[in-house]
Amino acid sequence: NAGVTQTPKFRILKIGQSMTLQCTQDMNHNYMYWYRQDPGMGLKLIYYSVGAGITDKGEVPNGYNVSRSTTEDFPLRLELAAPSQTSVYFCASSPGTSNQPQHFGDGTRLSIL
Amino acid sequence: DQQVKQNSPSLSVQEGRISILNCDYTNSMFDYFLWYKKYPAEGPTFLISISSIKDKNEDGRFTVFLNKSAKHLSLHIVPSQPGDSAVYFCAASGNTGNQFYFGTGTSLTVIP
Repeated sequence: NAGVTQTPKFRILKIGQSMTLQCTQDMNHNYMYWYRQDPGMGLKLIYYSVGAGITDKGEVPNGYNVSRSTTEDFPLRLELAAPSQTSVYFCASSPGTSNQPQHFGDGTRLSIL
Repeated sequence: DQQVKQNSPSLSVQEGRISILNCDYTNSMFDYFLWYKKYPAEGPTFLISISSIKDKNEDGRFTVFLNKSAKHLSLHIVPSQPGDSAVYFCAASGNTGNQFYFGTGTSLTVIP
């Protein structure tokens, strides 16, 4: 029972580099989400998707891109890494029906130097 | 603009006593509220939820209370156990269910 799997767990990037954070879920959930958590702060929604081929911006989308070509995968792309993007990134999924909780991966800790 | 607020960053409680974690929200359109528990180096895990048609929901040692007029919810843990030591986040969503808004978390320490 893998649930939501995120890779990598840790990564250090240089300013201006790009990378993709991977997220996959095996629960056949329609909805998927990307959050970032900064120290002492709650989770902020970056992007979400309600199904394959459909994505939408959350609270803090600037500097990120997403795609959803399959139900299972929801990668998050950083094109030009900036120090302000140093954070812990969490991917989550939910069935999409009303009043259902989200299931989270264990996060990717990203440092940009 | 923080729509969900947890004003207590930390809480310490003796084992066996009650832990009460509080959460306030500003958006009257929120109708579904959740509590998550998070251990270090892990993702948040769902603990308990409540919809706006109820004012109380109970699951074992965990009870969530909702006061809609005050826009306030609380999580009661009775009795508290050392394994309950974690960061607790409250979250809320509106009727679209697409977006969840999280508080900043309360770090609970249960002292043996």
